[in-house]
Amino acid sequence: DTGVSQNPRHKITKRGQNVTFRCDPISEHNRLYWYRQTLGQGPEFLTYFQNEAQLEKSRLLSDRFSAERPKGSFSTLEIQRTEQGDSAMYLCASSPDVIYEQYFGPGTRLTVT
Amino acid sequence: AQSVTQLDSQVPVFEEAPVELRCNYSSSVSVYLFWYVQYPNQGLQLLLKYLSGSTLVESINGFEAEFNKSQTSFHLRKPSVHISDTAEYFCAVSDRSGGSNYKLTFGKGTLLTVNP
Repeated sequence: DTGVSQNPRHKITKRGQNVTFRCDPISEHNRLYWYRQTLGQGPEFLTYFQNEAQLEKSRLLSDRFSAERPKGSFSTLEIQRTEQGDSAMYLCASSPDVIYEQYFGPGTRLTVT
Repeated sequence: AQSVTQLDSQVPVFEEAPVELRCNYSSSVSVYLFWYVQYPNQGLQLLLKYLSGSTLVESINGFEAEFNKSQTSFHLRKPSVHISDTAEYFCAVSDRSGGSNYKLTFGKGTLLTVNP
């Protein structure tokens, strides 16, 4: 068990550029979640995958955001045409079917200049 | 829909003093309850959870939390804190029925600062 990993850990981009983040969940964890955490706030839910199926998306996930989980393994979160308001920590979490707590990765900190 | 309120954004205490971090929630359904801790420059780590059974749950490092259904609270306590407990603490809930895919709703967090 190597834990949830996320890459990159930090990303600085100019407004209008596209960025992609990767999350590798704990092996055999079927459930995968993305959250966003801004300064002074708790994490907020973005989207949920059960294996390769994206089953829920938050209203926070605008059309500029897209997430995938091909083959039910790693997941990617892409933000197109980034805006300064997208600056945040993006957290990934995973859990197996029979356990209700989630295991979080270290996060990717995005700064849009 | 659920919401979580952490009543204190910052709690400064001296080493070896007791501490209580307050958490209240609102939900139209039964929930699971969690406390997560975030040390500086690290991800969230599960501290303790209430799923069912005894309403008092304990962590391996001396924290405890008590689920109070009538007051919809899940306050976190430690009788004697250490410098190493300095971190941000998040209270979270998820829908027990799974209707919301067990996603977590978090409070805004409480920054616990333990001073020597």
